[in-house]
Amino acid sequence: QKEVEQDPGPLSVPEGAIVSLNCTYSNSAFQYFMWYRQYSRKGPELLMYTYSSGNKEDGRFTAQVDKSSKYISLFIRDSQPSDSATYLCAMSEGGGADGLTFGKGTHLIIQP
Amino acid sequence: NAGVMQNPRHLVRRRGQEARLRCSPMKGHSHVYWYRQLPEEGLKFMVYLQKENIIDESGMPKERFSAEFPKEGPSILRIQQVVRGDSAAYFCASSPDYLQETQYFGPGTRLLVL
Repeated sequence: QKEVEQDPGPLSVPEGAIVSLNCTYSNSAFQYFMWYRQYSRKGPELLMYTYSSGNKEDGRFTAQVDKSSKYISLFIRDSQPSDSATYLCAMSEGGGADGLTFGKGTHLIIQP
Repeated sequence: NAGVMQNPRHLVRRRGQEARLRCSPMKGHSHVYWYRQLPEEGLKFMVYLQKENIIDESGMPKERFSAEFPKEGPSILRIQQVVRGDSAAYFCASSPDYLQETQYFGPGTRLLVL
């Protein structure tokens, strides 16, 4: 079983829809959870950062972490064509800086 | 405030040559990480460095790969005697002392080995 599972998609939705992106993981020691957005042939861009379980909102983006289910989500409201990209979840055990463990990414397409 | 800088952006090498990839972290960041992204694969952690110290190289291949972050100048990822399987995008990230888990990525170096 891979450490972090993420559906590669592509996920195609119409403009204005609510998008739900998810990851599951197996390592119960993960405490820090991040979502990155990566446009084609660019570097990943940090979108959201969450510690432990709970919700965090930033503009049109909401991140949720359920550590009991080892499940994290990113919601995008009022999706725009410019949101079309690959979304990567990442996580770490923390306790000092360490390397992030990434999912393979979900390719999202927002149809105008 | 300049972000993480990487150069070159594209690098072509023939099998057996050496590849040197450079990374300058964001201003005020003292933690540097290197990741590799193979086609159709996710980002894989390679090494974590602070100034003049390798903290964690658990993701680094044991042979041909090395990394450094000298007191002055950028961090360097060196690949000796490159093989075709080394063709990938190599990303550098940096983080600040006060929030080490938030890593900010550079644009990457795309290495092609012929």
